[in-house]
Amino acid sequence: DIQMTQSPSSLSASVGDRLTITCRASRNIYNFLNWYQQKPGRAPNLLIYGASNLQSGVPSRFSGSGSGTHFTLTISSLQPEDFAIYFCQQSYNDIGNFGPGTKVDVK
Amino acid sequence: QITLKESGPTLVKPTQTLALTCTFSGFSLTTRGVGVGWIRQPPGKALEWLALVFWDDDKRYSPSLRSRVTITKATYTNEVVLEMTDMDPVDTGTYYCARRQGWGYDFWSGYYDYWGQGALVTVSS
Repeated sequence: DIQMTQSPSSLSASVGDRLTITCRASRNIYNFLNWYQQKPGRAPNLLIYGASNLQSGVPSRFSGSGSGTHFTLTISSLQPEDFAIYFCQQSYNDIGNFGPGTKVDVK
Repeated sequence: QITLKESGPTLVKPTQTLALTCTFSGFSLTTRGVGVGWIRQPPGKALEWLALVFWDDDKRYSPSLRSRVTITKATYTNEVVLEMTDMDPVDTGTYYCARRQGWGYDFWSGYYDYWGQGALVTVSS
């Protein structure tokens, strides 16, 4: 079973900040890693797939990198609509378990 | 336009079986690489992946819930059903269905690009 962890669990930031969220897998998952954003009361929204591929329609301020067991999601300049919870998900096998999430709120 | 929508009971009693239906449109579950999965989220907690059915009727289950969960795709309608037996209050949460789009060599990997709005299920006597 592949375990996913994220850090930090929460962070406070301001509009315009550059943010980096980290996701780690318990074993090598190559580049099979997805990132989702979830706002209160809403379903998750796919941001990044395959560690670094930007989903269609997602703003270019979002980017992903990493491979193996260490991955990052970066928001280059935080916008008001980006305050949300971010989840990573391994897609190395189709069990598809998620990380515990990182909550981004207003400083 | 791709849409998915979950339907089923909002309240179930402990030990009962939950049956949720995902009704989708805008894509076919016979297209290679496509699947429909179920993911749940207890109030205020993280997402938990439950089950997935592929275009070829292959299925995957969460190891921790395998004995309680069954996923079925309808043959002639755009529906996928999730059944979960022996419900407990800890199973309370929002249940989502989502389209799994395969990518990469032979669609080996996948991501969930379209989601339903979610169905809140409460387990209580």
